[in-house]
Amino acid sequence: DVKVTQSSRYLVKRTGEKVFLECVQDMDHENMFWYRQDPGLGLRLIYFSYDVKMKEKGDIPEGYSVSREKKERFSLILESASTNQTSMYLCASSRSYNEQFFGPGTRLTVL
Amino acid sequence: AQTVTQSQPEMSVQEAETVTLSCTYDTSESDYYLFWYKQPPSRQMILVIRQEAYKQQNATENRFSVNFQKAAKSFSLKISDSQLGDAAMYFCAYRSALRGATNKLIFGTGTLLAVQP
Repeated sequence: DVKVTQSSRYLVKRTGEKVFLECVQDMDHENMFWYRQDPGLGLRLIYFSYDVKMKEKGDIPEGYSVSREKKERFSLILESASTNQTSMYLCASSRSYNEQFFGPGTRLTVL
Repeated sequence: AQTVTQSQPEMSVQEAETVTLSCTYDTSESDYYLFWYKQPPSRQMILVIRQEAYKQQNATENRFSVNFQKAAKSFSLKISDSQLGDAAMYFCAYRSALRGATNKLIFGTGTLLAVQP
């Protein structure tokens, strides 16, 4: 079974803090994705990566950056957290053009 | 740009009954994939069913089937013999199949399905 894990299920941070969200997959997938899920807006793609050290902006990259130093790990970074970044963050991975497998999500609250 | 629309924010169905969730999409591409994902409360999102646009036959997975109308750009999900475990948020998603396209998914806003015992 493919397993995608995220470092925290719930996270509370203060405005201005630097926040790291970690995602790890165990199936040697090339592609990894970070989505943000908000009520009434569905899932929106923040960034994705198709290989180590490679990244591409998604639809809403502003205020975020990513890092992929190892194939199995994809980190989402909020350089200076703001209240409008309070959301559910979902990580996903896939092999080539196949099905995306999702992690359990991190519910981030920025106070 | 492609868009996916789910016009039903919430739906309800009685256990053992059938329910249909609607999805429409907009694209100028001829080759693409469509998906339905299920997100149970506090659990991970999983793929329910997928449809290749070049296939005329509607996809089926056990109690789940789709009605794919390419000309109308409609992709509805039918759940037969609904069970309590079907209660979840359902997302419709689109992915381009053009050469060079990435594996990006474009999601609708979701439909929250309640199953009444």
